[in-house]
Amino acid sequence: QKEVEQNSGPLSVPEGAIASLNCTYSDRVSQSFFWYRQYSGKSPELIMSIYSNGDKEDGRFTAQLNKASQYVSLLIRDSQPSDSATYLCAVTSDRGSTLGRLYFGRGTQLTVWP
Amino acid sequence: GAVVSQHPSRVICKSGTSVKIECRSLDFQATTMFWYRQFPKQSLMLMATSNEGSKATYEQGVEKDKFLINHASLTLSTLTVTSAHPEDSSFYICSASRGVNQPQHFGDGTRLSIL
Repeated sequence: QKEVEQNSGPLSVPEGAIASLNCTYSDRVSQSFFWYRQYSGKSPELIMSIYSNGDKEDGRFTAQLNKASQYVSLLIRDSQPSDSATYLCAVTSDRGSTLGRLYFGRGTQLTVWP
Repeated sequence: GAVVSQHPSRVICKSGTSVKIECRSLDFQATTMFWYRQFPKQSLMLMATSNEGSKATYEQGVEKDKFLINHASLTLSTLTVTSAHPEDSSFYICSASRGVNQPQHFGDGTRLSIL
């Protein structure tokens, strides 16, 4: 059973702060990792992809991957109220019949207050 | 870009009706498309994985005769909810992927309400 665990929310930060979202996964052979943002009542939107160990930055977002620790994180700098959403960590399956499917965490609900 | 279009966005219909939902990748060829269902305040639940020209692979507990999936081309997949009942009311979302280890790009979803 492949598991993707996210730190339990809700997470509440003031505007301008750094929001830190964490995720661990159980399948050591996974190669691709994604962060999605889902606003209430909407479908998920891809915000970051990361494939190799280290940091990847895109604007205010930084994804961090540590395959040895099976850990992925997302940092949001200068958080804005518009960042308030549920953030989903997703990990690919690289095995057999489930090749290509994504395993999602339950999501962390982030609230950025003005 | 990677745009996935899903139609209709909302359906309200009577119990017993069959409903067809379309999912199109507009600017890329999708080797695989996925269908999810999401109930309020719950996680995404994968229903089936669809590859062009082959039968869909359904997740355990999903009735293949009730949720018919057709993947006729590299840019189009359809989900038909046959003889829908109130318990089928949910938010149905499709996604499309260029290939293994590539991200999935989601459509806007279809909110299905069965009266």
